[in-house]
Amino acid sequence: DPKIIQKPKYLVAVTGSEKILICEQYLGHNAMYWYRQSAKKPLEFMFSYSYQKLMDNQTASSRFQPQSSKKNHLDLQITALKPDDSATYFCASSQEGGDTEVFFGKGTRLTVV
Amino acid sequence: GDSVTQTKGPVTLSEGTSLTVNCSYETKQYPTLFWYVQYPGEGPQLLFKVPKANEKGSNRGFEATYDKGTTSFHLQKASVQESDSAVYYCVLGGNTGANTGKLTFGHGTILRVHP
Repeated sequence: DPKIIQKPKYLVAVTGSEKILICEQYLGHNAMYWYRQSAKKPLEFMFSYSYQKLMDNQTASSRFQPQSSKKNHLDLQITALKPDDSATYFCASSQEGGDTEVFFGKGTRLTVV
Repeated sequence: GDSVTQTKGPVTLSEGTSLTVNCSYETKQYPTLFWYVQYPGEGPQLLFKVPKANEKGSNRGFEATYDKGTTSFHLQKASVQESDSAVYYCVLGGNTGANTGKLTFGHGTILRVHP
């Protein structure tokens, strides 16, 4: 059973529209993250949350907004979508503190046309 | 900022041959180093980690030594199998004891092993 659930698996969006990527984790972790993987760049860290509070933001654009309604949820809202936003977005989680393993979901592949 | 450079793939090997994937890193911190592996349709998963310099990590026959002197963390396996075909990432973590979850990934090395 997948312990980090990402929905949807595939998403096609029109330029200028807004989408929300869903992530839930059932590992009991208190820290959650978003990473992005595109064809041109390696996996890139975007955000980290701990106990539903933003810890680190490496995303330059305010069009990307994480939303945490529950401790084990961290959704990603993307507004004013651009073709360059096309990528696979991975949600991840870990126990905070120490050098604990970061677990990744299977990703949401977003294509902006 | 932090960066990781690794062997540019794809690397194609026959079963039973040895593997080396080179990895070098740049950082001003005292990081934990990781190797992650990614199979098609999956997210990356931890292969192993090494939190301290001069120590070796290993798992499933893969191993790497954290060499702070040369800032390298090369992945090796003596005898690869077809099931090892995947993408391998050398990854830089945060300071020891302060895991922020921010991992810096290399570009990844595609490994293809044929029977």
